Amino acid sequence: QQQVKQSPQSLIVQKGGISIINCAYENTAFDYFPWYQQFPGKGPALLIAIRPDVSEKKEGRFTISFNKSAKQFSLHIMDSQPGDSATYFCAARGAGNMLTFGGGTRLMVKP
Amino acid sequence: NAGVTQTPKFQVLKTGQSMTLQCAQDMNHEYMSWYRQDPGMGLRLIHYSVGAGITDQGEVPNGYNVSRSTTEDFPLRLLSAAPSQTSVYFCASSYSQGPFLPGNTIYFGEGSWLTVV
Repeated sequence: QQQVKQSPQSLIVQKGGISIINCAYENTAFDYFPWYQQFPGKGPALLIAIRPDVSEKKEGRFTISFNKSAKQFSLHIMDSQPGDSATYFCAARGAGNMLTFGGGTRLMVKP
Repeated sequence: NAGVTQTPKFQVLKTGQSMTLQCAQDMNHEYMSWYRQDPGMGLRLIHYSVGAGITDQGEVPNGYNVSRSTTEDFPLRLLSAAPSQTSVYFCASSYSQGPFLPGNTIYFGEGSWLTVV
């Protein structure tokens, strides 16, 4: 049973466009929601994260929107660049610092 | 500062063989964990440790064994490899398992690609 559902599985965006990736969770005990970026052959790297008492967090071109009542959160990448092409994972932290990951979204930004 | 180091990077095993994936961190992190990554399923937690001498099971522990004799090292053992264990394995560490704080960021190694034939 996947407790964090991520969509879409793949996404193609033109350079300069907005990339949007959505996640939904079930466990209301999750207390931290990070997004990880993974390039081929590398481990996931923390991109941005949000706590459930905050509705939006922005860092540069990356924004997390969080809707606690709907148990949904999303990543927006503004002015998407070819260098943003990677796989993105949402995650949610539960007890014991354990992360539950979404299935991942493969983003391709076309020049 | 090497961060989280995993070895080997690539390994091919025959069914039934055993092996150990090594993980070491030099950040004095208490919390270490192992994940496996399979297509379309994200990363799933295998085992984790909250400190030396303490380990516990994650979501998919069967077929794997861990130990934590030092703060720095957290090896993952495959007892009798099966084709279903073909995957990419990631070791991760963080300062603690406490409430969310920037210092509790979870860092991942670069992965170990394992194929069981």
